[in-house]
Amino acid sequence: LAKTTQPISMDSYEGQEVNITCSHNNIATNDYITWYQQFPSQGPRFIIQGYKTKVTNEVASLFIPADRKSSTLSLPRVSLSDTAVYYCLVGDENTGFQKLVFGTGTRLLVSP
Amino acid sequence: DVKVTQSSRYLVKRTGEKVFLECVQDMDHENMFWYRQDPGLGLRLIYFSYDVKMKEKGDIPEGYSVSREKKERFSLILESASTNQTSMYLCASNPSGRDRGGQYFGPGTRLTVT
Repeated sequence: LAKTTQPISMDSYEGQEVNITCSHNNIATNDYITWYQQFPSQGPRFIIQGYKTKVTNEVASLFIPADRKSSTLSLPRVSLSDTAVYYCLVGDENTGFQKLVFGTGTRLLVSP
Repeated sequence: DVKVTQSSRYLVKRTGEKVFLECVQDMDHENMFWYRQDPGLGLRLIYFSYDVKMKEKGDIPEGYSVSREKKERFSLILESASTNQTSMYLCASNPSGRDRGGQYFGPGTRLTVT
């Protein structure tokens, strides 16, 4: 299983950029990197997915170095509503969903 | 808008009861999943299905079974509920193929077994 390691928690203030790094040293060639956001009492919500280099959408950016052993989710100018748990997943669904492992995530707290 | 619905938000059952958790998606997705989420353990995959009448075990299938008779519906069954199955249960779906953009999750069912 492609195991990921993330910080347990992070604190930030409104308007700051937040970068959450995920370590995945044993990522396989066909694995994608996916990030989810989860608010209390809700299911996770897909944020962004990438394979290499940089991916950007309207919500976040995902930076993946050449060796792909880590990735960084970047949230620009966070607001209070970005307070949530963020999960990093690594896997290739074409080889089996069992390999998509949700860890315990990073709890982000945004303060005024 | 994408929609995954679960039959109940909160459910209380007694030990030994048979429990059905229903999940419906309206996106014509091939793949459907059942997870449970517990504090400190993250989400763990129980079962998934990649087609009607097809199912595969996830990480923790013991004590659970599933049914997928129609593409849009995926049911999780607790044959004889036990207190250690008290948890948040999350259903998800996604389409097959590359670049599918992750899984879509329902709101969850918080099950308490007493």
